[in-house]
This record gives sequence, C-alpha cells and structure tokens, in this order.
Amino acid sequence: DIQMTQSPSTLSASVGDRVIITCRASESISDWLAWYQQKPGKAPKLLIYRASNLESGVPSRFSGSGSGTEFTLTISSLQPDDLATYYCQQYDRYWTFGQGTKVEIK
Amino acid sequence: QLQLQESGPGLVKPSETLSLTCTVSGGSISSSSYYWGWIRQSPGKGLEWIGSFYYGITTFYNASLKSRVTIAVDASKNELSLNLRSVTAADTAFYYCATLMYSGTNSDFWGQGTLVTVSS
Repeated sequence: DIQMTQSPSTLSASVGDRVIITCRASESISDWLAWYQQKPGKAPKLLIYRASNLESGVPSRFSGSGSGTEFTLTISSLQPDDLATYYCQQYDRYWTFGQGTKVEIK
Repeated sequence: QLQLQESGPGLVKPSETLSLTCTVSGGSISSSSYYWGWIRQSPGKGLEWIGSFYYGITTFYNASLKSRVTIAVDASKNELSLNLRSVTAADTAFYYCATLMYSGTNSDFWGQGTLVTVSS
C-alpha cells in the first residue's frame, strides 16, 4: 500500500503569512495527488488536483507543486477563512490520504 | 451537478452489520465517468478510504477492511450501498459517499456525511 506522510501535523501562522504544507509518498505516484481543505462539520473540499492544478473557484493564493514522492501545498497569504485541516490524497494506486495538517490562525 | 446523500442508522450494536445507502441525483450511477466510493473519518481523526465501485468493471476495497466490507450498486434506484460486518467501537465514524479522483477526472463530489456510532 502507498503511505502518505504530511508535515507538520499542526501549524500556527498569522494572517498574511506564507504557509507551506509538505506531503511525502512512500513510492512514486507521478503527479496523481490531490489536496483537500476540510472545515469542522463539513465534507472535504478539493483544492488542487494532479499536484498543481487549481480546482475551479478556489482562490489563487492556493498552489501546489511536486511530483514523484515529494509534494507541497502553499498558501501565499494566509486568510482567516483558511482555518481548516488540509489533507493530501494519492490516487495513483487506489486511494490514500495523509494524516492531515491543522492550520491555526495566531 | 451531482448530488450525493448518505442515509442509514446512526447507531449500530457491536458485532452487527453497519448498512448505509448513498442516493445519487443529477447523474447516473451507471456512468463510466466516475469511481463511486465510501470514505470514513473517526471523530477528530483523519480520512480513510473504504472502497470503490467502477461500473461494469469491479469493486476495490481497502486491504485493512476487505474481509468485512461489501459495496454494491442498485442502478434501478441510482444508489450505492455499504455493508460493514462485525463492527466494533473502532468503526464509529462519519461515513462519506463520494466520487473519487482518478486519471480521467479533475473534480469530485461528496455527500454531507453521516455519523454512525457503534455502541450497545
């Protein structure tokens, strides 16, 4: 099975900060990686697909990069509405999620 | 626009079978455009893929749950079902019905989720 490891588990940042979340796959998944945002009591929402493609309607402050085994999600300027938990998901072979990164606002 | 709605008992006794239904509207569950699946999330924990169905092809299951899970489709009702046998407290979770990402799509759809508690 492909394992996905995210870091950090929690991060605290100020409004306007640049935030970077990392996701590592246990083996190469090419660019078959998605990023999700989940707010309390809600289903996950797709932000990025195929590692670097922004889902329609998602603010341009979100971006993704990487391929193979190393991936990043960047929020260029953190906003209060970005308070959430973020998950990476590989869909190269079946589906596996990272353990999540909780983003808190200082 | 696809809409997915989960339904089923919110409380299941240990050792019994958890049964949920996902009703699809706005599209056909017989469509080959989607992998249909179930994902769960224990309270305060991360997301776990349970299994998926691709119409006319096959069903895929998470290896850790494979011995206890059955996913099926009723095309006449446009429904996806989940049966999880011999449940324990560890199966208490929010259960989501969703279309899953794959190489042939760049979007997905999720139900709102339903909480199932395993308790006597």
